[in-house]
Amino acid sequence: DTGVSQDPRHKITKRGQNVTFRCDPISEHNRLYWYRQTLGQGPEFLTYFQNEAQLEKSRLLSDRFSAERPKGSFSTLEIQRTEQGDSAMYLCASSLETADQFFGPGTRLTVL
Amino acid sequence: ILNVEQSPQSLHVQEGDSTNFTCSFPSSNFYALHWYRWETAKSPEALFVMTLNGDEKKKGRISATLNTKEGYSYLYIKGSQPEDSATYLCAFNTGGFKTIFGAGTRLFVKA
Repeated sequence: DTGVSQDPRHKITKRGQNVTFRCDPISEHNRLYWYRQTLGQGPEFLTYFQNEAQLEKSRLLSDRFSAERPKGSFSTLEIQRTEQGDSAMYLCASSLETADQFFGPGTRLTVL
Repeated sequence: ILNVEQSPQSLHVQEGDSTNFTCSFPSSNFYALHWYRWETAKSPEALFVMTLNGDEKKKGRISATLNTKEGYSYLYIKGSQPEDSATYLCAFNTGGFKTIFGAGTRLFVKA
């Protein structure tokens, strides 16, 4: 499968714990995006990488959130000291150009 | 603040019915409008990307139109089938990296 993959698909954690998600984009794509989707809403932009450079972060991304793309390939999104409000679907997408983003299946986070 | 609105929020139709949804977006700074289909437990799948006013795109029984001057796009499904059941998302882009999504229209097709 040469699509975007995300791991894990589901994560249940207790409030206050740290979690890390991984995204593997389509190999030749230089752009990588993270989105968060909550019930009844569309995906909301969190952050964007061009190669290994993080070029934009949404104000939705508090200082408990950090994302990396160390070699310009896979990316990780870490949430520290999780809160119940962090429960959501976290989607990753990649592209060569803005017009065509390819999405992964998402990681569903539940914070108890 | 850029806002993308979709209506209706959800729609229940019978197999064989034709249906359509609306996406409204800002008419200024337009670059591209995307439609995605998102089935439960799967990745959102790109259906169409439209960039020109008056664009019409078609893929099988699904088609879309675009009016950038008034800021709306319609998605049509002809002869709905149960496998069309999904959330249909539209997304607006101003030419940068940021894409603004609507909340989606959830379609249920009953056999």
